[in-house]
Amino acid sequence: GAGVSQSPSNKVTEKGKDVELRCDPISGHTALYWYRQSLGQGLEFLIYFQGNSAPDKSGLPSDRFSAERTGGSVSTLTIQRTQQEDSAVYLCASSFQTGNYGYTFGSGTRLTVV
Amino acid sequence: DAKTTQPNSMESNEEEPVHLPCNHSTISGTDYIHWYRQLPSQGPEYVIHGLTSNVNNRMASLAIAEDRKSSTLILHRATLRDAAVYYCILSLNSGNTPLVFGKGTRLSVIA
Repeated sequence: GAGVSQSPSNKVTEKGKDVELRCDPISGHTALYWYRQSLGQGLEFLIYFQGNSAPDKSGLPSDRFSAERTGGSVSTLTIQRTQQEDSAVYLCASSFQTGNYGYTFGSGTRLTVV
Repeated sequence: DAKTTQPNSMESNEEEPVHLPCNHSTISGTDYIHWYRQLPSQGPEYVIHGLTSNVNNRMASLAIAEDRKSSTLILHRATLRDAAVYYCILSLNSGNTPLVFGKGTRLSVIA
């Protein structure tokens, strides 16, 4: 596609429920990144993929968070047993590959846990 | 880790040039300097990046000090649409480490 597509754009969920956030990167981009941004805060790195492999999972906040990428394309970020502190905008970006290539970000998924 | 230091906020008049500074005194030889910006309620947007030489593109210019310990993002004529948070980031490990965003500089543009 022309840009990075994220869905849903907004998600309200009850505390304790599981949620799945989807990212569809730019076609041909092998690197994919997940960040989150809490209200009024900076971007926090979560995880990245090179192809279908995730070399760096160090940013995942807890074992309730997981992510996968299939076919070197779509990625899903799953949060189990959501907590109120998980409320944030979850941003996905892709780049041609790792290295010094510009990132293209999606518009994000705004997650609200009530 | 190589870090960057930026002013928290800056203000500019519309149609005036804007010079956004960034200090990165611990930069290493293979670290590229990247600039992104984030408009309100949007994801970050790539602006420009460079290694040693000054760079120009349709959005901005990047001036890199000879010792590479600082750089300046130059917007030639600020518009209201340029009001955003501007992030100066070093790409580590030849870019094979994900970008780490700091707090950036919040640019306000006055009509």
